[in-house]
Amino acid sequence: DAKTTQPNSMESNEEEPVHLPCNHSTISGTDYIHWYRQLPSQGPEYVIHGLTSNVNNRMASLAIAEDRKSSTLILHRATLRDAAVYYCILRDIRADGLTFGKGTHLIIQP
Amino acid sequence: DAGITQSPRHKVTETGTPVTLRCHQTENHRYMYWYRQDPGHGLRLIHYSYGVKDTDKGEVSDGYSVSRSKTEDFLLTLESATSSQTSVYFCAISVSGSGDTQYFGPGTRLTVL
Repeated sequence: DAKTTQPNSMESNEEEPVHLPCNHSTISGTDYIHWYRQLPSQGPEYVIHGLTSNVNNRMASLAIAEDRKSSTLILHRATLRDAAVYYCILRDIRADGLTFGKGTHLIIQP
Repeated sequence: DAGITQSPRHKVTETGTPVTLRCHQTENHRYMYWYRQDPGHGLRLIHYSYGVKDTDKGEVSDGYSVSRSKTEDFLLTLESATSSQTSVYFCAISVSGSGDTQYFGPGTRLTVL
């Protein structure tokens, strides 16, 4: 899987939107962009994924740049329960496991 | 909830002893995975399975073996545990394998003294 770059940590306030960036300048045409998050002392949890178009689900939105070299995970209204490490992962359709980087540690202030 | 359980949840053992971790799923999904997570590293794939008796190595497979004799269970064995295998181990499942969403278990914290 190709490499992604994320900020080590970000801080936001409760009930405000959060934009988590991810750079993936070496993305290939067959790579899907996946986001997972890991709450303290839990296993990773799937958040959202996309290929080219922006995606929305009940947890978040994924905005993908037109050239696909970057993406942004959007939490529309952060709660304290959203405090976690967020991983941006490129996943080739042929890949078996997930390749996790160090992710972004999101801190939510009350 | 993807119906994944791991046992034991915590284990302390001594160097040189064999250890087996169990991952159990209730959804009858074909694909199962074992990862380890260490401070300063993201999760790393140890082994995976794409069906009963069908397994393959991942990125960090040395010192580990796996078995899958039935769909619902995927076992990870450390034949002779070493301190470098102290880690948190996560099991995951997916419906269709390559490129698909994975669902993770709660993890097993293993300490090798």
